[in-house]
Amino acid sequence: QVQLKETGPGLVQPTQTLSITCTVSGFSLTSYYMQWVRQTPGKGLEWMGFIRSGGSTEYNSEFKSRLSISRDTSKNQVFLKMNSLKTEDTGVYYCARDSESSPFDYWGQGVMVTVSS
Amino acid sequence: DIQLTQSPSSMSASLGDRVSLTCQSSQGIGNYLSWYQHKPGKPPKPMIYYATNLADGVPSRFSGSRSGSDYSLTISSLESEDTAIYYCLQYDEYPFTFGSGTKLEIK
Repeated sequence: QVQLKETGPGLVQPTQTLSITCTVSGFSLTSYYMQWVRQTPGKGLEWMGFIRSGGSTEYNSEFKSRLSISRDTSKNQVFLKMNSLKTEDTGVYYCARDSESSPFDYWGQGVMVTVSS
Repeated sequence: DIQLTQSPSSMSASLGDRVSLTCQSSQGIGNYLSWYQHKPGKPPKPMIYYATNLADGVPSRFSGSRSGSDYSLTISSLESEDTAIYYCLQYDEYPFTFGSGTKLEIK
């Protein structure tokens, strides 16, 4: 069955880089877009960006050049990297699968990230 | 960016009630709107996509509709398990945007 699971550091210091891995099973990354969404106390749910089945990416300009999404199809993993972290980046980060018919049809459980010194 | 305004921000209703939640878009998005149910400690669960289509496994008491730039999620007969925050999402234009949510509680 379709499963997604995010793993990440939990605690990151301000100005440092956040790295989260989304490991998937039950489907191929070359057949689906993969989305990243976060939920923060200040802004609620925010779409961050996605990587297409072909490997190209689209980002929310809100994150300007801080954000990078990539993948390793051989490992069934999608990666989110965001630099120059601020305390306002504290929140839960989710990866989600996107199908043509139903957007964000499967989600990971999410990973809590706290940005604090 | 397209803004989605959800109303009410919170509400309570009785078991068996018919409940409608609204999401208004600041720009035309066609039917590119979906609804998600979010419970504490769990990821959002897709409920409706393309404004009116029921997502897989969602009970038939849920339905979605559209009137111009106003979108609604309706629960025909409220059950206790429906307590959650409901969010709408537009996926017509980048950046995709979410509404601020409607918190639904049982009286």
